[in-house]
Amino acid sequence: AQSVTQLDSQVPVFEEAPVELRCNYSSSVSVYLFWYVQYPNQGLQLLLKYLSGSTLVKGINGFEAEFNKSQTSFHLRKPSVHISDTAEYFCAVSRGAAGNKLTFGGGTRVLVKP
Amino acid sequence: GAGVSQTPSNKVTEKGKYVELRCDPISGHTALYWYRQSLGQGPEFLIYFQGTGAADDSGLPNDRFFAVRPEGSVSTLKIQRTERGDSAVYLCASSLDVSNTGELFFGEGSRLTVL
Repeated sequence: AQSVTQLDSQVPVFEEAPVELRCNYSSSVSVYLFWYVQYPNQGLQLLLKYLSGSTLVKGINGFEAEFNKSQTSFHLRKPSVHISDTAEYFCAVSRGAAGNKLTFGGGTRVLVKP
Repeated sequence: GAGVSQTPSNKVTEKGKYVELRCDPISGHTALYWYRQSLGQGPEFLIYFQGTGAADDSGLPNDRFFAVRPEGSVSTLKIQRTERGDSAVYLCASSLDVSNTGELFFGEGSRLTVL
């Protein structure tokens, strides 16, 4: 079985400041890793994903994440946030053989303040 | 529409009643997924379909929950004898196929409240 832990349930941050959202996972097999974002009153949408190759992954809206196998982490970063980045962010994992069956973390709510 | 459509967006029912939640996936997407999101938690997997058949229903909590996708497009999640603990947002997602790893497109969800 696999599990995902998002260490921060809420992250307040000022506009134009950097932000890092932490994600750790546990799995006995190789996994694929994802970050999804949920803006207010909208459905979840894919921000970025790691399947293989370069451990630094770039996504939409200036976000990036780094896969660290030894630390079983996949932290999400953005160097300078905007008010529009206010949303809930979910880290997720899947096993390739299980298709797109995702296991999600509990989410991190980011509130960008002016 | 272009996205995943879920109806109703909100459903309030009484304990013991039967409920149906509908999902209309993106046209051409063969894989369809149901997740449940309780307050303050991440989505939890319930079931997914590849075409008309349920490829994995291991997340359904008990036999009160059932889902169908008879023609390989629209899906209905059915909950019998609802309980207060069933209150949650039920999310539907679709993807081109199960090999399109991680590219799930989610609807806005159906919020179920059981009184």
